[in-house]
Amino acid sequence: AQRVTQPEKLLSVFKGAPVELKCNYSYSGSPELFWYVQYSRQRLQLLLRHISRESIKGFTADLNKGETSFHLKKPFAQEEDSAMYYCAPAGGTSYGKLTFGQGTILTVHP
Amino acid sequence: EAGVAQSPRYKIIEKRQSVAFWCNPISGHATLYWYQQILGQGPKLLIQFQNNGVVDDSQLPKDRFSAERLKGVDSTLKIQPAKLEDSAVYLCASSLAYGSYEQYFGPGTRLTVT
Repeated sequence: AQRVTQPEKLLSVFKGAPVELKCNYSYSGSPELFWYVQYSRQRLQLLLRHISRESIKGFTADLNKGETSFHLKKPFAQEEDSAMYYCAPAGGTSYGKLTFGQGTILTVHP
Repeated sequence: EAGVAQSPRYKIIEKRQSVAFWCNPISGHATLYWYQQILGQGPKLLIQFQNNGVVDDSQLPKDRFSAERLKGVDSTLKIQPAKLEDSAVYLCASSLAYGSYEQYFGPGTRLTVT
């Protein structure tokens, strides 16, 4: 069965501190990996995907196939990063389908 | 471009009543999704349409939930009869094509079943 685990429900850091949001997955086939974000009073939206290897809003995510992890990182957190973050593997034997984790609420304190 | 539209935004009903939600996807988007998001959980896919055909409805409780996408554009999701455990936010999303994982989400409908 496709499964994604975000072990931290809540994560608090101070502005300027590094932040890492963890994601582990168990997935049949070779999934694509995504991070979605929902800022306060905004819609759920795509943050980044692993195949693009981009840095979006200072965030990067490294896919570790050996550990089946896809952690989201930012070296210097900003207050505007406060949001709910969802890890979402997709594809593999479930082509066309995203599986969302439970989410991590990130709070960046001033 | 206009985003995904959903209505109503909020709905309160009693158990055993019926309710319907409406979604208008982004123009030109072939794939439409309905998700259920229970408080404290991530969105769970209920049904996925490609144009007006169902691609995946494996997690749709078909004894009480139904959905349609007439003419491959707007979609409605219905619950009849509702149960207490159906209280959730119902999200509609669309994407340009099947297999495109960049999904655009609507604001959601918050359903409370009392």
